[in-house]
Amino acid sequence: EAQVTQNPRYLITVTGKKLTVTCSQNMNHEYMSWYRQDPGLGLRQIYYSMNVEVTDKGDVPEGYKVSRKEKRNFPLILESPSPNQTSLYFCASSHGTGAHYEQYFGPGTRLTVT
Amino acid sequence: GENVEQHPSTLSVQEGDSAVIKCTYSDSASNYFPWYKQELGKRPQLIIDIRSNVGEKKDQRIAVTLNKTAKHFSLHITETQPEDSAVYFCAAFGNEKLTFGTGTRLTIIP
Repeated sequence: EAQVTQNPRYLITVTGKKLTVTCSQNMNHEYMSWYRQDPGLGLRQIYYSMNVEVTDKGDVPEGYKVSRKEKRNFPLILESPSPNQTSLYFCASSHGTGAHYEQYFGPGTRLTVT
Repeated sequence: GENVEQHPSTLSVQEGDSAVIKCTYSDSASNYFPWYKQELGKRPQLIIDIRSNVGEKKDQRIAVTLNKTAKHFSLHITETQPEDSAVYFCAAFGNEKLTFGTGTRLTIIP
C-alpha cells in the first residue's frame, strides 16, 4: 500500500531535550516536506527536499533541522525544543521535484513541549 | 514570499445548498492551486487542483475557478452533503514552495 508514515504519532517532551520525528514514504517520491499546523494559521512549511541531499528552508525553519540521506526518509530534528514548537506536524511527499503535484500527507505527529 | 488569504474562516450551509470558499494570492508567478480537505483528526487530502493555464475545473459536485488577472481562486461545492463537513485549505505553488491559506471550517446543517 502506497503511504507516508510518521513516528511517533504523539510525543510529550520537555524543553531542551533533543528529539527526532521520522518520516518515510514507499512511493519513490523525489519531493518531501514538513509542515506544522496551528489553529488559525493553517499549514506552514518548515523544510522541504527536492531530492537526496537537497534540502531548503520553508517559511518557518527556525529551531528545526532536516536531512535527506535516502530517498524514502526525511526526518525532522528539534535540537532544543521549546514550548512554541508545540504543534501538529505533517510530513508530505509528492512525485517530481516540486510541490506542484498532489501532496501525500502522513498521519501527523502531535508534539507537546512543556 | 507568497501570501495566501482565505475567506471565510467558518461557513455553515444547509444541506443541499452550495458553498463557496475564496482565496487570493500575492505572487503572480504562482502557477498551481490545489484544494485540500481535512476531516477531524485526519490528514489533509487533495480534492481538486487547477493549473494557471486553465480557468475552471470541475469534478462532480466540486469546481474550482481561477482568475489570474485578479489573483484569486475559488472552491465551489454544490448539493452539499453531511460528509462535506470538514476544514478546507487552499494553496498556491510558486518559487518551489507551496503556501497554504488559513483554512475554512465548513459545517453542513442537516
